[in-house]
Amino acid sequence: QQQVKQSPQSLIVQKGGISIINCAYENTAFDYFPWYQQFPGKGPALLIAIRPDVSEKKEGRFTISFNKSAKQFSLHIMDSQPGDSATYFCAASCVGSPNAGGTSYGKLTFGQGTILTVHP
Amino acid sequence: SAVISQKPSRDICQRGTSLTIQCQVDSQVTMMFWYRQQPGQSLTLIATANQGSEATYESGFVIDKFPISRPNLTFSTLTVSNMSPEDSSIYLCSAQNPGQGYGYTFGSGTRLTVV
Repeated sequence: QQQVKQSPQSLIVQKGGISIINCAYENTAFDYFPWYQQFPGKGPALLIAIRPDVSEKKEGRFTISFNKSAKQFSLHIMDSQPGDSATYFCAASCVGSPNAGGTSYGKLTFGQGTILTVHP
Repeated sequence: SAVISQKPSRDICQRGTSLTIQCQVDSQVTMMFWYRQQPGQSLTLIATANQGSEATYESGFVIDKFPISRPNLTFSTLTVSNMSPEDSSIYLCSAQNPGQGYGYTFGSGTRLTVV
């Protein structure tokens, strides 16, 4: 019920290509879906996030696509650059209603992570 | 976004000893969280620390092993007690950004090695 499943585990893309990472969740109480980028030796940094009232959100080269009925969301990185090489984590949380979220309220559940390598 | 300072950044400890990790936020936050991240793995929530109440621990984590303090709205500590090599990991604190919707900020982590 609390799992967030992320794929692929690793991804290699050429510079300028599109990187796509997918996540699926089970808990229908989740209402906040962020993506984090983590470089070695650093903590995760928030990249972009979406609420379930929209199906897509774009910020620069990064886009989240959200499919509520399928309980899936994905990260698209357009024009991938070598500097994008990092580990990416999807996550999910219930933030809108303490009653709906129960013990999940306010807590982030993370996917397993995707190691992205962008070759120059 | 809130800025989180975490220290120490790394430490090597003898088994059987304890280490206290400090987390300082530059603004007042209601919810703070402690995570463990084993090398090459995802983040696992240890506990939620709210000011003025006992920390809430996730399944598999107990207060005797990971006591947490939250004395005010900008500071928290996590102690890893009676350490064993299996406790070698990265420990991260996190806070929900005030007035930033629902974004969560993370510290840079404490890399702990138990020998």
